[in-house]
Amino acid sequence: QVQLVESGGGVVQPGTSLRLSCAASGFTLSDYVIHWIRQAPGKGLEWVAVISKDGSRQYYADSVKGRCTISRDNTVYLQMNSLRPEDTGVYYCARDPGHLDERWLDLWGQGTLVTVSS
Amino acid sequence: DIQMTQSPSAMSASVGDRVTITCRASQGISNYLAWFQQKPGKVPKRLIYAASSLQSGVPSRFSGSGSGTEFTLTISSLQPEDFATYYCLQHNTYPWTFGQGTKVEIK
Repeated sequence: QVQLVESGGGVVQPGTSLRLSCAASGFTLSDYVIHWIRQAPGKGLEWVAVISKDGSRQYYADSVKGRCTISRDNTVYLQMNSLRPEDTGVYYCARDPGHLDERWLDLWGQGTLVTVSS
Repeated sequence: DIQMTQSPSAMSASVGDRVTITCRASQGISNYLAWFQQKPGKVPKRLIYAASSLQSGVPSRFSGSGSGTEFTLTISSLQPEDFATYYCLQHNTYPWTFGQGTKVEIK
C-alpha cells in the first residue's frame, strides 16, 4: 500500500525538543522531495520545511527557521528544538516528485500531533 | 515572503450553486498555484495543480484558473460532499505559503 506514515509526536513542555519521522511504504522515498506541513488546532495549513531528494538542500518557514532541522536517510526527519506553544498542531509530511505532475503533493500522511504545553 | 490572500473566509451556499473562491498573491507566481480541499478531521486533498490542472479522479465540476497574482477555484454545481474548507497554495518560491482558507457551509 502506498502511504506515508508520520510518528514522533507527543506532549512536551515549552523549550524542549522533539523529532518527527516520516516513513514511506509502497514507493521509494528517495525518489521524492518531502515537505512538512502543519495545522494548529482549528486553524489553517502552514508549510514548514522541505528537503531535496538527495538531502543536500533544505528550506524552512520563517516561523521555524533556526529551531528546526529537516534531514533524511531512508526516513525523513524533522528535528524541532526550543518548542513553543504555537508549534502545537498536527504535522503532516507530503511527497513531491520534484516536478509538476499527478504525483505532486498527491500523498500525505495521516499526521502526528505535537502538543507543546506546560 | 509571498502572501496569499484568500476570499471569502467563509460562505454559505446551497446544493447546485456555483461557487467561486479567489486567491491573490502579493507578487507574481506564474501558474504555481494549487488548490486543496479539507474535510473535518481529514487529510487535505489536492484538487488542482499548476493553477488549472485537475487531479485525476476529481470531479469536473471543479476548475481552476488564473496566472500571475489572481487565481480562482470554481465549483460549477455544489454537491453535498463539497462542503469543506478550501486552501490555495503558492509553490513558486520558498517559503511556500497557503491562503487562510475558505469554509464552504450549507445554507
